[in-house]
Amino acid sequence: KAGVTQTPRYLIKTRGQQVTLSCSPISGHRSVSWYQQTPGQGLQFLFEYFSETQRNKGNFPGRFSGRQFSNSRSEMNVSTLELGDSALYLCASSLEATSYNEQFFGPGTRLTVL
Amino acid sequence: EDQVTQSPEALRLQEGESSSLNCSYTVSGLRGLFWYRQDPGKGPEFLFTLYSAGEEKEKERLKATLTKKESFLHITAPKPEDSATYLCAVQAWDSNYQLIWGAGTKLIIKP
Repeated sequence: KAGVTQTPRYLIKTRGQQVTLSCSPISGHRSVSWYQQTPGQGLQFLFEYFSETQRNKGNFPGRFSGRQFSNSRSEMNVSTLELGDSALYLCASSLEATSYNEQFFGPGTRLTVL
Repeated sequence: EDQVTQSPEALRLQEGESSSLNCSYTVSGLRGLFWYRQDPGKGPEFLFTLYSAGEEKEKERLKATLTKKESFLHITAPKPEDSATYLCAVQAWDSNYQLIWGAGTKLIIKP
């Protein structure tokens, strides 16, 4: 069974640019969550999508947005990049929205903002 | 405010030297506490879920326990391959299923 895949794995952007990250969940999983991980702040929840609807949102500015497609694949977009957006962005999928005990993470996308 | 604190930040052990990692939490009502393991360059990997005080779960050399204020991850006779960052997260009943994460404990097992 294929795991969660994220593309690209590494990305370098400059301040002011925008970026789109992609996540393909495990087949059959309908919930996709996004996290930002930095050495100083640890794992911080961005948002969760379930059946194409945003179900939960963390405390991030509106520059961070996402969407989910009918095949459960999800994209995350960050506009007007800032230096502080440099982080590892993780995507996690689960079978059902409430099944946090079985949340499977992808390898992440390492974003560097120069 | 809901909060999760993990200690120590880092722990170095010799192979075979047993120890425990701590996760203390403050939430209005605990729905579940989760332990994950994260290797460098990879996403976290699920280990355990604990739901009520007194509950214990085991997997190979790892055993997780839960009280009303904290959880321990006991590592018995660790091997170098147990080296990783161990993350703890809690979910409160009124959090709409959001997880609150601790900063993690980096465990290094020396051969």
